[in-house]
Amino acid sequence: NAGVTQTPKFRVLKTGQSMTLLCAQDMNHEYMYWYRQDPGMGLRLIHYSVGEGTTAKGEVPDGYNVSRLKKQNFLLGLESAAPSQTSVYFCASSYSGTGGLGTEAFFGQGTRLTVV
Amino acid sequence: EDQVTQSPEALRLQEGESSSLNCSYTVSGLRGLFWYRQDPGKGPEFLFTLYSAGEEKEKERLKATLTKKESFLHITAPKPEDSATYLCAAHRGAYKYIFGTGTRLKVLA
Repeated sequence: NAGVTQTPKFRVLKTGQSMTLLCAQDMNHEYMYWYRQDPGMGLRLIHYSVGEGTTAKGEVPDGYNVSRLKKQNFLLGLESAAPSQTSVYFCASSYSGTGGLGTEAFFGQGTRLTVV
Repeated sequence: EDQVTQSPEALRLQEGESSSLNCSYTVSGLRGLFWYRQDPGKGPEFLFTLYSAGEEKEKERLKATLTKKESFLHITAPKPEDSATYLCAAHRGAYKYIFGTGTRLKVLA
C-alpha cells in the first residue's frame, strides 16, 4: 500500500542546475499538490493540479514548473536552482470531496533539497 | 486574510501529563479542519477531519474538537511515542489548504 511516493529523497544541486522531482500516487486521487516546508513558515503551496493535463499556480510558484501528463504522476521542475530553493518538498494528493467539503490530503515522505 | 495560527510553538510534557494544543483560524467559508502528525524527516500523517462546530473526533490518546474560531487537540496521558510536530490545516475550498506552523511536542519519560 504505497500511497504517495516521492523520488529522490535527498539531492544537492549547484546554483543554476536543473532537476525534476517525481511524485506518484496509487489512490486514484484527482488532486495533487507540491508544497515546500521551511522552518517557521509552515507548508506553502507551490503548484497544484485538479486533474490529468491541468496545473495551476499556488502561493509560491516562481522558479518552478510542473506537469501532470498522467493522473497518477505529478512532476516538479526547477529550471535554474537558486539557494533560496533549499527546502524540504512534499507532494500530496486528495479526493475532490463531495458537497463542497474538503477531504484530507495524503503526503509523501518528502525530498530534502540543498542548493549550494 | 485567511490565517491559521497554532499555539504553543513548542510544548514539553511529562509522561502522563495531559494538555491541549490550540489551532485558531480566520478562514472564510471553512470546508474542513484537519489535524496531522509529522515525525522528523517524514511527511505529515493524517489524524482527523472536523467539519462542524461542536464536532469531536477521538483516536487513542488524542481528541480533536472544533468551534467557530478554533480547534483543540487534546492529549490525554501522553507517552514518549506521542512526541512529534502536530499541524492543523483549514480547507477553504478551491483546493486550498491553509497550514499552521505546527506545535512541536516532546513527551518525557
